[in-house]
Amino acid sequence: GAGVSQSPSNKVTEKGKDVELRCDPISGHTALYWYRQSLGQGLEFLIYFQGNSAPDKSGLPSDRFSAERTGGSVSTLTIQRTQQEDSAVYLCASSPQPGTGYNEQFFGPGTRLTVL
Amino acid sequence: GDSVTQMEGPVTLSEEAFLTINCTYTATGYPSLFWYVQYPGEGLQLLLKATKADDKGSNKGFEATYRKETTSFHLEKGSVQVSDSAVYFCALSGRNTDKLIFGTGTRLQVFP
Repeated sequence: GAGVSQSPSNKVTEKGKDVELRCDPISGHTALYWYRQSLGQGLEFLIYFQGNSAPDKSGLPSDRFSAERTGGSVSTLTIQRTQQEDSAVYLCASSPQPGTGYNEQFFGPGTRLTVL
Repeated sequence: GDSVTQMEGPVTLSEEAFLTINCTYTATGYPSLFWYVQYPGEGLQLLLKATKADDKGSNKGFEATYRKETTSFHLEKGSVQVSDSAVYFCALSGRNTDKLIFGTGTRLQVFP
């Protein structure tokens, strides 16, 4: 079956521009997560969705970062006024049953963002 | 806050060698513990997990035991193969949340 998909796979942008990253979770998965993988910081949690609401946004690094999820499915991570330190691989994951602490998360291939 | 510490890489081994990748954690309560693996050119995938003390997770010949007394979850394999070359991430999640906190990752390189 289809796994988690992300688009674009690569994004190069200029400093100060806005970017949108998309995630399509596995069908029926109610939980959706965004992580960031960068050389300096490793793998960091950004935000968690349960359905369309985000009970945990604690990992968003600044107010330039926002995310939404619609229809309990597709999610978009938006970075406004990008900075060079935003360069990283942005990973999306989904899980069928949230909030139990032991469920496997299924990861997408990631979007590599490069800010020039 | 909660955190995971794992050994620096790269770990370089010959095929059929014994593998240990150390992982220790700091957490309140009783977290679940995971090893995720990232093969070259592929996405992160779950390798194994353990949800309570003394549980042993195992998969593809890899094993890790949840040791509460030493707050550790070391990954082991008795005989590695070239195809095991990948980056391995130790991670934890707390009760009532699936948010994963990852270690920095350990690159394993296995040579024939």
